[in-house]
Amino acid sequence: DAKTTQPNSMESNEEEPVHLPCNHSTISGTDYIHWYRQLPSQGPEYVIHGLTSNVNNRMASLAIAEDRKSSTLILHRATLRDAAVYYCILAPGGTSYGKLTFGQGTILTVHP
Amino acid sequence: KAGVTQTPRYLIKTRGQQVTLSCSPISGHRSVSWYQQTPGQGLQFLFEYFSETQRNKGNFPGRFSGRQFSNSRSEMNVSTLELGDSALYLCASRPGTGGYNEQFFGPGTRLTVL
Repeated sequence: DAKTTQPNSMESNEEEPVHLPCNHSTISGTDYIHWYRQLPSQGPEYVIHGLTSNVNNRMASLAIAEDRKSSTLILHRATLRDAAVYYCILAPGGTSYGKLTFGQGTILTVHP
Repeated sequence: KAGVTQTPRYLIKTRGQQVTLSCSPISGHRSVSWYQQTPGQGLQFLFEYFSETQRNKGNFPGRFSGRQFSNSRSEMNVSTLELGDSALYLCASRPGTGGYNEQFFGPGTRLTVL
């Protein structure tokens, strides 16, 4: 499985934008880039995913580098509820087998 | 739509016993995956079921098994429990099998082995 590299931790202040980076230099052409987050004592929650183009949804934006070897999850205005572990994951395209390979993720701390 | 539900939420067993965990996916979702989460190893994939067939299996011993029923509900079983099996067991469902399909996770079952 292609691997991703994320910083162990990041900090932000409430209502400020947060940019969470992810490196995936061995990504294949059909791999989708997924982001999940896990709040304390909960199961992971889907945030966003993309293939080649930048994506926006109600939770966040995903900026994908032109060579697809890195991506950035953008939280436009961090809230205390955004404090969580954020996972960047590569999911094989086509008929995949549902296997998500989670790394250690980035622990995001949001200060009031 | 109701989310993914897992029962029971908490379970305490002793070494050598066996345990069965249950997962009900979101209505209409046919794929169910199971994960184990521990502080030391993080989140690790156990297996995925689609249309009652196991499609992929992670690197776990044969004591870990599962099945899926015709209504897409899934169970996983762990036999001959060991202390190291203490973990949060998560179930996730998704509508299809494409890599673009996001997975929806349940709250998990916290298993403690004494």
